[in-house]
Amino acid sequence: DAGITQSPRHKVTETGTPVTLRCHQTENHRYMYWYRQDPGHGLRLIHYSYGVKDTDKGEVSDGYSVSRSKTEDFLLTLESATSSQTSVYFCAISEWAEAFFGQGTRLTVV
Amino acid sequence: AQTVTQSQPEMSVQEAETVTLSCTYDTSESDYYLFWYKQPPSRQMILVIRQEAYKQQNATENRFSVNFQKAAKSFSLKISDSQLGDAAMYFCAYRTAGRTGANSKLTFGKGITLSVRP
Repeated sequence: DAGITQSPRHKVTETGTPVTLRCHQTENHRYMYWYRQDPGHGLRLIHYSYGVKDTDKGEVSDGYSVSRSKTEDFLLTLESATSSQTSVYFCAISEWAEAFFGQGTRLTVV
Repeated sequence: AQTVTQSQPEMSVQEAETVTLSCTYDTSESDYYLFWYKQPPSRQMILVIRQEAYKQQNATENRFSVNFQKAAKSFSLKISDSQLGDAAMYFCAYRTAGRTGANSKLTFGKGITLSVRP
């Protein structure tokens, strides 16, 4: 299995607080992604990275920011969490074609 | 922008029978990859099969095979001899084969829930 670790695995937070999710890889893959999964919507891309300090927006980027200061780490920050950001968040990594996924983080905003 | 459409939200199959899951996509690119991923109740995303657009031969992995119709932009997954462990959500995905940053997006369909009847 690809070495991808997401932390935390579960989190409950209050509306208006900042939240940071971490994705760590040991595969030295170039590309890293953050998706959110919601019923009826499949996986929607939030942000992705194609190298250290090289990031770009996906289709649902509003309210989220990312940073990648090292190849192995890709951080997703919710600036001020809202209830609409309650979701399951997946990190994925890729080098050539297919992507490999972390186990997901279930985030609940109350 | 590339889009991936899975129009059937749910399907059901009898154990040991064959089922086909449909996927269509839209792109102006000529070189790309297509994938099917499986997500069982454990939530883990598992790669089932991969198809390169430049290959005419349909990909096969054991009981899983695809029917890739490039001109029709169709990419269906056939599961033969269905097993109870095949019950899961299945996602179709697309990625451009280009290697620049903007071409590294991996786009998913909304998924289809497959149930297997014993």
